[in-house]
Amino acid sequence: EAGVAQSPRYKIIEKRQSVAFWCNPISGHATLYWYQQILGQGPKLLIQFQNNGVVDDSQLPKDRFSAERLKGVDSTLKIQPAKLEDSAVYLCASSRRGVGNEQFFGPGTRLTVL
Amino acid sequence: AQSVSQHNHHVILSEAASLELGCNYSYGGTVNLFWYVQYPGQHLQLLLKYFSGDPLVKGIKGFEAEFIKSKFSFNLRKPSVQWSDTAEYFCAVNAYSSASKIIFGSGTRLSIRP
Repeated sequence: EAGVAQSPRYKIIEKRQSVAFWCNPISGHATLYWYQQILGQGPKLLIQFQNNGVVDDSQLPKDRFSAERLKGVDSTLKIQPAKLEDSAVYLCASSRRGVGNEQFFGPGTRLTVL
Repeated sequence: AQSVSQHNHHVILSEAASLELGCNYSYGGTVNLFWYVQYPGQHLQLLLKYFSGDPLVKGIKGFEAEFIKSKFSFNLRKPSVQWSDTAEYFCAVNAYSSASKIIFGSGTRLSIRP
């Protein structure tokens, strides 16, 4: 089966600019996750969707980050405006339903904010 | 709040040496436990998981992990490492009663000398 797709793979922007990331999960996977991985740290969950509803967004900085999953399939994560500390790899993952099932990760988008 | 500690940030071993990577978590209730691996240039992938039953869990590529509830630990082991085991290893915990969020440790980088 095709894996989790993410684009772009790399993005360099200046602070205060906006950026958007796209994720297409594995077909049939109801649950989609966005993680932020800062260099030297483990992935941190930003938001979790079950179909097109939000299950957990407690760690999403809602003043600048937003995410949506229209029609319960692909998803976009947006940062507006970006800060220097947003430099990280943004990972998308999907699973059949909930955490109990294996999460499959995409290749990630490496964001550099200058 | 849940947390996961991986005390070894970087481990260097020679081929055929035995491996044990430590993982401790803080949560008093029922947990689901995971080890993920990221090989150079590849996506994060599941190595093994524990939900219930036998506390000794076997995963892919000869890895195993033991859940010791009294010590809040889930250490990863392999009796004889290979050069191809060079990767970053992440321990992760999901508190069964929470809204299914997974908390990742900061990771351990494993380097194998050929």
